[in-house]
Amino acid sequence: GESVGLHLPTLSVQEGDNSIINCAYSNSASDYFIWYKQESGKGPQFIIDIRSNMDKRQGQRVTVLLNKTVKHLSLQIAATQPGDSAVYFCAEEYSSASKIIFGSGTRLSIRP
Amino acid sequence: DTEVTQTPKHLVMGMTNKKSLKCEQHMGHRAMYWYKQKAKKPPELMFVYSYEKLSINESVPSRFSPECPNSSLLNLHLPALQPEDSALYLCASSQEGSVMNTEAFFGQGTRLTVV
Repeated sequence: GESVGLHLPTLSVQEGDNSIINCAYSNSASDYFIWYKQESGKGPQFIIDIRSNMDKRQGQRVTVLLNKTVKHLSLQIAATQPGDSAVYFCAEEYSSASKIIFGSGTRLSIRP
Repeated sequence: DTEVTQTPKHLVMGMTNKKSLKCEQHMGHRAMYWYKQKAKKPPELMFVYSYEKLSINESVPSRFSPECPNSSLLNLHLPALQPEDSALYLCASSQEGSVMNTEAFFGQGTRLTVV
């Protein structure tokens, strides 16, 4: 079946450094991608999204890059802070399917 | 108000207890979702309601019974469960059926333990 997966299950970065979380997807029909942040004991929180007709989108301290050729998605967090510690999920939606399919998640930890 | 409220936050039930999970939003969203999340796993879609009608059932066992009594409320009735059904149950809502057009908001979840 189709799946959204992540390259690394855990990522440890120094506070103040930039973080890059990667995600691979296999469904070429997906046309919308979302990054979610899930802190311990909480539900997923929307961070940023990107449509398949774009290759880059920037938010506040976050940037999402989409490479449709290799079906790869990445989330870049600038100047990582302790509050960024969480599990990050990439997710995809099939066109008009109303189904958000989550990838396996990366835990981001911050070293002081 | 951009909150999706789920009650209870924690629930411990026996395999033959009849319990219900509740979800409420007052953002005027017309699509609501139930997800199941096991420890250290991503959320898995269970059901989607669009305009109060069940639009997607991801082959969920019949021991889970969803209900959408109105556009603000979503219930998940649990007449009889198995221990492997223990998980975090997440509710979400979005303005329309396709999240591409609007952001989906998630509740904090109900931590369910079946003993």
